[in-house]
Amino acid sequence: DAGVTQSPTHLIKTRGQQVTLRCSPKSGHDTVSWYQQALGQGPQFIFQYYEEEERQRGNFPDRFSGHQFPNYSSELNVNALLLGDSALYLCASSLAGTGPDTQYFGPGTRLTVL
Amino acid sequence: EDQVTQSPEALRLQEGESSSLNCSYTVSGLRGLFWYRQDPGKGPEFLFTLYSAGEEKEKERLKATLTKKESFLHITAPKPEDSATYLCAVRGGYQKVTFGIGTKLQVIP
Repeated sequence: DAGVTQSPTHLIKTRGQQVTLRCSPKSGHDTVSWYQQALGQGPQFIFQYYEEEERQRGNFPDRFSGHQFPNYSSELNVNALLLGDSALYLCASSLAGTGPDTQYFGPGTRLTVL
Repeated sequence: EDQVTQSPEALRLQEGESSSLNCSYTVSGLRGLFWYRQDPGKGPEFLFTLYSAGEEKEKERLKATLTKKESFLHITAPKPEDSATYLCAVRGGYQKVTFGIGTKLQVIP
């Protein structure tokens, strides 16, 4: 059983560009959450998708948007990239109605903005 | 706003030297406190969930405890493979999960 997978592994962009990160949840999971983890910091909640809708959102600007597809996979889009967007972006999947103890994290996408 | 503070930020132990990591929290309506382990370049790996003061959970050399204001992760006779960053997180009334910055543990042979 493949766990949570994310692509790409690493990405380098320049300021002002746009980026799309992808996540495939663990088999049987229907909910996807995205987190940003800056170097030396804990993960910060960006948003959560369930039934193809954004259900919750953290304190992130509208430049951060997402999408969930019928197969439960998800994308995170970031527009007008800033240097401060450089971070490890983590995707976590779970089953709706369960807690973070059933949340599985992917290996992350390392985004570097130059 | 929910807050999680972890201390120390870094801890260096000799193999076999037991110690504790602290997680202090402020949350409206605690719906769970979680401990994760994160290895470099990887996503966090779930360790424990605690729901109410007085609760304890154990797994191998790790034991997590919870009071109304803080949680401790006790590490007994650690081994080098226990080296990692340990993250504490809380889930509050709004269902969002808030993480601390973690404690980076290094166990020296």
